[in-house]
Amino acid sequence: EDKVVQSPLSLVVHEGDTVTLNCSYEVTNFRSLLWYKQEKKAPTFLFMLTSSGIEKKSGRLSSILDKKELFSILNITATQTGDSAVYLCAVEASMNYGGSQGNLIFGKGTKLSVKP
Amino acid sequence: DAGVTQSPTHLIKTRGQQVTLRCSPKSGHDTVSWYQQALGQGPQFIFQYYEEEERQRGNFPDRFSGHQFPNYSSELNVNALLLGDSALYLCASTFGPYSGNTIYFGEGSWLTVV
Repeated sequence: EDKVVQSPLSLVVHEGDTVTLNCSYEVTNFRSLLWYKQEKKAPTFLFMLTSSGIEKKSGRLSSILDKKELFSILNITATQTGDSAVYLCAVEASMNYGGSQGNLIFGKGTKLSVKP
Repeated sequence: DAGVTQSPTHLIKTRGQQVTLRCSPKSGHDTVSWYQQALGQGPQFIFQYYEEEERQRGNFPDRFSGHQFPNYSSELNVNALLLGDSALYLCASTFGPYSGNTIYFGEGSWLTVV
């Protein structure tokens, strides 16, 4: 059965700290891994990773994928209170011909709380 | 550019009742998926609609059904509601069901079953 496991499930840090969130997966026919930030309701897209070892960056956030070891990390440097949210990792599987199956398999999320 | 919009935002239903949730995809998107997110859990895939047909379905009973209209908007219907159906229902849209394009989510509809 396909599964995505995130760790830790919750994390409390202080402003200015650097955090690393983990995501491991076991998915048949892996196609891509996505990170979302969920503050109240709508998950908002952060990154899509398809290739191993290529870091994606957006401001203080960065992410990298290891397709050999089947995991990804999301780093947040110089954390701010506005980074407090649930961070969701999701994996997209592919069809046999390479196209996307079109559905995402999510982990339970990591709840990050950043204290002033 | 309007994102994914959902209605209603909150609703309360009684066990055994039926509910309909609505979704308008992001402009330019033609594929709509529905997810159920229970408290403290990640979203779980219910089904996906493309070209007005259900293309894929997750592990949900037949009480969960849907529809897609010619303008790409979609409805999720749940019959014979159970207490366990209480959750945030998220609609997601993208362009092309098999392209691997970025999937965008709406704000969701909070359903409470009492």
